[in-house]
Amino acid sequence: QQPVQSPQAVILREGEDAVINCSSSKALYSVHWYRQKHGEAPVFLMILLKGGEQKGHDKISASFNEKKQQSSLYLTASQLSYSGTYFCGTPNSNSGYALNFGKGTSLLVTP
Amino acid sequence: DGGITQSPKYLFRKEGQNVTLSCEQNLNHDAMYWYRQDPGQGLRLIYYSQIVNDFQKGDIAEGYSVSREKKESFPLTVTSAQKNPTAFYLCASSIGGGNIQYFGAGTRLSVL
Repeated sequence: QQPVQSPQAVILREGEDAVINCSSSKALYSVHWYRQKHGEAPVFLMILLKGGEQKGHDKISASFNEKKQQSSLYLTASQLSYSGTYFCGTPNSNSGYALNFGKGTSLLVTP
Repeated sequence: DGGITQSPKYLFRKEGQNVTLSCEQNLNHDAMYWYRQDPGQGLRLIYYSQIVNDFQKGDIAEGYSVSREKKESFPLTVTSAQKNPTAFYLCASSIGGGNIQYFGAGTRLSVL
């Protein structure tokens, strides 16, 4: 049930772009994205509820392809503050209320 | 300020000992969750509660127990039956199921 994220790790220079993918073997009805700094709590970025939905906040955006059962997170003109581990979360089919999280993508932005 | 408070930040467990991790929220959220995080493994669901006096097992509930006697509190007990308890434990809450989850700062548990 755990969604699969790719890549596992990315190293960027400040100003470069990155894409993080999240795919599921089961039908997806929503996708959550969170970012976690080392040793801290995950922080909510955005939620996508409909197939084809795209959202954005500042230079971070995401898309949701319901048919392909996948979502992608786009980081444009990355900043040092974007460094951290990004997780996607999908509804847990057993609980319905909770989320299954992917293993995470570690992003490091260097000067 | 509204939020979720986890305590303690660091906890050490001796062999055969039960330990309890505290999670308190003042967001007036109905749903609360416990996740375990191991390096490179993401977050795995231990227990969740949709409402006071009700809770369900998650994917890795063995060796853990919870209670939900008050809306704002959802403590997790790591029992001696959990043979590999060393991990980072995160508590979260949401208004309801499927909604945005807000996380506490976590408790890092180690075995002495």
